[in-house]
Amino acid sequence: NAGVTQTPKFQVLKTGQSMTLQCAQDMNHNSMYWYRQDPGMGLRLIYYSASEGTTDKGEVPNGYNVSRLNKREFSLRLESAAPSQTSVYFCASSERNRENQPQHFGDGTRLSIL
Amino acid sequence: GEDVEQSLFLSVREGDSSVINCTYTDSSSTYLYWYKQEPGAGLQLLTYIFSNMDMKQDQRLTVLLNKKDKHLSLRIADTQTGDSAIYFCAEKERDNYGQNFVFGPGTRLSVLP
Repeated sequence: NAGVTQTPKFQVLKTGQSMTLQCAQDMNHNSMYWYRQDPGMGLRLIYYSASEGTTDKGEVPNGYNVSRLNKREFSLRLESAAPSQTSVYFCASSERNRENQPQHFGDGTRLSIL
Repeated sequence: GEDVEQSLFLSVREGDSSVINCTYTDSSSTYLYWYKQEPGAGLQLLTYIFSNMDMKQDQRLTVLLNKKDKHLSLRIADTQTGDSAIYFCAEKERDNYGQNFVFGPGTRLSVLP
């Protein structure tokens, strides 16, 4: 009964380092999303993938890249980390073609850039 | 773009009712959701309401929707300390790719003993 699994849970990076945040879902959902959460700003969409093979920019895509590796997995990459990218990152998935389906969230990755 | 607004903080006494309010701008929203986020965790769906409904009740939770004013509220009856969390309002709107979710900033509910 895993749902959406994110790894790692915590990470500290130095400015300029790169890393990839992993996300996998076992609900056979078509759509997957990456958000960042900052105090007082709620969730802001970074990138999303409406279906396998497609990705699109969200509200705050700069400094990030994504890969929809297959239907289950959607990764987020920081090529050159900056202190402004210190945040909590959430992955989510949903069933695109069913009207009443909400998003299901992972537990988040807490990322600090020094 | 579309916008969802919420007040950032709410404090209530244990046993009282809590009312968390939300306003949204997209009149084409099909579903509206309430999520709960406990410390150190992801968002969990609490309840949702279809846009052609006025009210939905689920145990201690009551959702009211005023579509004319684009106002959504979540009432928690007999609030307990375990209800302390951040509550997010979200709307789902249609776009060319199927759907998009827009979240409010979250309301931090503090329950005082």
